[in-house]
Amino acid sequence: QQPVQSPQAVILREGEDAVINCSSSKALYSVHWYRQKHGEAPVFLMILLKGGEQKGHDKISASFNEKKQQSSLYLTASQLSYSGTYFCGTESGGSGYALNFGKGTSLLVTP
Amino acid sequence: GAVVSQHPSWVICKSGTSVKIECRSLDFQATTMFWYRQFPKQSLMLMATSNEGSKATYEQGVEKDKFLINHASLTLSTLTVTSAHPEDSSFYICSATADRALYGYTFGSGTRLTVV
Repeated sequence: QQPVQSPQAVILREGEDAVINCSSSKALYSVHWYRQKHGEAPVFLMILLKGGEQKGHDKISASFNEKKQQSSLYLTASQLSYSGTYFCGTESGGSGYALNFGKGTSLLVTP
Repeated sequence: GAVVSQHPSWVICKSGTSVKIECRSLDFQATTMFWYRQFPKQSLMLMATSNEGSKATYEQGVEKDKFLINHASLTLSTLTVTSAHPEDSSFYICSATADRALYGYTFGSGTRLTVV
């Protein structure tokens, strides 16, 4: 079942922060976050495997609330290179470890 | 580590012909690979799970006779779009994982199929 992402689109000025949310109606084993630039394949950002887990790299971090079946991706002090479409992918079982992706959040960072 | 190679990057074919897309894991073995389809500005929709040495598992609504999947070795899965029609035009992407916790799922570069 496809997770729900919000917002659909965000426009930021360089240096501003953004939060992208992902929620599911099914119990989740894990949540993955990917960024895709136009015409390219998605690139792995991070995976959250356990409820309560928080993880970060550079100025991008994420949290996973297993009880609420939600995850959030935090982009701080955004850079122009952060522009792209962000997808959350969730594993709920039933298809091995196949991921079901949300519809994506389009992020544009302007100078 | 965890590189997935997909070929071709793009293909244009005539309606009614078949097209084969290859997905290779270059530096790891993948007993399972996944095939996705993506329409412009839309999400990745899982088509099927490819299992080495056994039949693929197709998602509901995906025609197994139209989208033939073969996973003959631990490093290669192929997707053949048979009797392609213009509505099959799309971006097809494969993925696999060497170590899910470390690398997540690595995607191939995708194949843009245009059926004319």
